[in-house]
Amino acid sequence: AQSVAQPEDQVNVAEGNPLTVKCTYSVSGNPYLFWYVQYPNRGLQFLLKYITGDNLVKGSYGFEAEFNKSQTSFHLKKPSALVSDSALYFCAVRPPDSWGKLQFGAGTQVVVTP
Amino acid sequence: GAGVSQSPSNKVTEKGKDVELRCDPISGHTALYWYRQSLGQGLEFLIYFQGNSAPDKSGLPSDRFSAERTGGSVSTLTIQRTQQEDSAVYLCASSDQRGGTQYFGPGTRLLVL
Repeated sequence: AQSVAQPEDQVNVAEGNPLTVKCTYSVSGNPYLFWYVQYPNRGLQFLLKYITGDNLVKGSYGFEAEFNKSQTSFHLKKPSALVSDSALYFCAVRPPDSWGKLQFGAGTQVVVTP
Repeated sequence: GAGVSQSPSNKVTEKGKDVELRCDPISGHTALYWYRQSLGQGLEFLIYFQGNSAPDKSGLPSDRFSAERTGGSVSTLTIQRTQQEDSAVYLCASSDQRGGTQYFGPGTRLLVL
């Protein structure tokens, strides 16, 4: 069965410190991987995606993610967190045999304190 | 250059009533998706339209749910005989090609009393 796991319900980090949000997946084949962010009462905003190529993907707002095939992980990172990064982050996977549906993780709430 | 828009932004209805939720995708996007976000179930795929192909309805939770897409653009998600468990945020997304990056609208928050 295909699945996406975000093992942390919440991540707390002080402003200026590095931020990491973890994501692991279980999908047969080579999936497409995505990160989205959701601010309160807003829809999902696309941050970045991995399809193929360089394992380090750079996205919006200074975020990046590292694809690790052997560990089936796609962790989101930011070198220096901002208070405005406080939001709900979702990892998503599109299996190679599915052109439409994204399968989302449960989400990780990021809280950045001043 | 507008993004995905959805209406209404909020909808309160009584159990047993029918509701219609609307989605306007990004102009030129051929693929359109509906998802549901609820506290208990997280983000769930509902249905996917791609051009003139038959939609992928595999995520619709019951036959009370249906969706159509007219003229390859606007989509309407209809929930008949609403139940309290239908209360959720319904999100629409579109992409410029099959399998492309999905861009989401702000959602419709549905509350069934």
